[in-house]
Amino acid sequence: AQTVTQSQPEMSVQEAETVTLSCTYDTSESDYYLFWYKQPPSRQMILVIRQEAYKQQNATENRFSVNFQKAAKSFSLKISDSQLGDAAMYFCACYLRDDKIIFGKGTRLHILP
Amino acid sequence: DTEVTQTPKHLVMGMTNKKSLKCEQHMGHRAMYWYKQKAKKPPELMFVYSYEKLSINESVPSRFSPECPNSSLLNLHLHALQPEDSALYLCASSQGGAWRYGYTFGSGTRLTVV
Repeated sequence: AQTVTQSQPEMSVQEAETVTLSCTYDTSESDYYLFWYKQPPSRQMILVIRQEAYKQQNATENRFSVNFQKAAKSFSLKISDSQLGDAAMYFCACYLRDDKIIFGKGTRLHILP
Repeated sequence: DTEVTQTPKHLVMGMTNKKSLKCEQHMGHRAMYWYKQKAKKPPELMFVYSYEKLSINESVPSRFSPECPNSSLLNLHLHALQPEDSALYLCASSQGGAWRYGYTFGSGTRLTVV
């Protein structure tokens, strides 16, 4: 079975600090992409960052970066200089070639002022 | 235009009503999706349209009926729903090969069945 696991249902971080959200996945496919989505109270799912499984270099988007460990099937999201607007539900997702997408259960991130 | 627009934002309907949810995008994306999301849960795939043809139906009850009139528009027709169908319904679109580029999501329709 193909799974995505987010082991932290909730996390809190002080504003301006750094936080890391964990995600592990399991797939037998060799080709896949990994994504992090953010869902604030406004409800819209917003794509935060994307990682191609065949690329060893970790993806970075401004304050967001990933630590991709393919052998360990780990795909964690690091948010630097946390801002109040980062408060949201974060979903890790594994996309497979046949349009099959597996979402994790999400991590709710609170930013403390 | 880089948005997926969903209307209405909120909908309350009785179990005998017929209503429709609408989703529109003008990014030239050729794949469109309906997802259902319960509170504090990840989205669950319902339907996938690829080039205006239904390509995936995740065993959704027939009281949900999707329609894709053209490449920019996706509807979800609702009839005889149950209270357990109350949820956030998200529409998404993608360039060819969603697995490479991910989705652009709309803000959803919050549906309450009474």
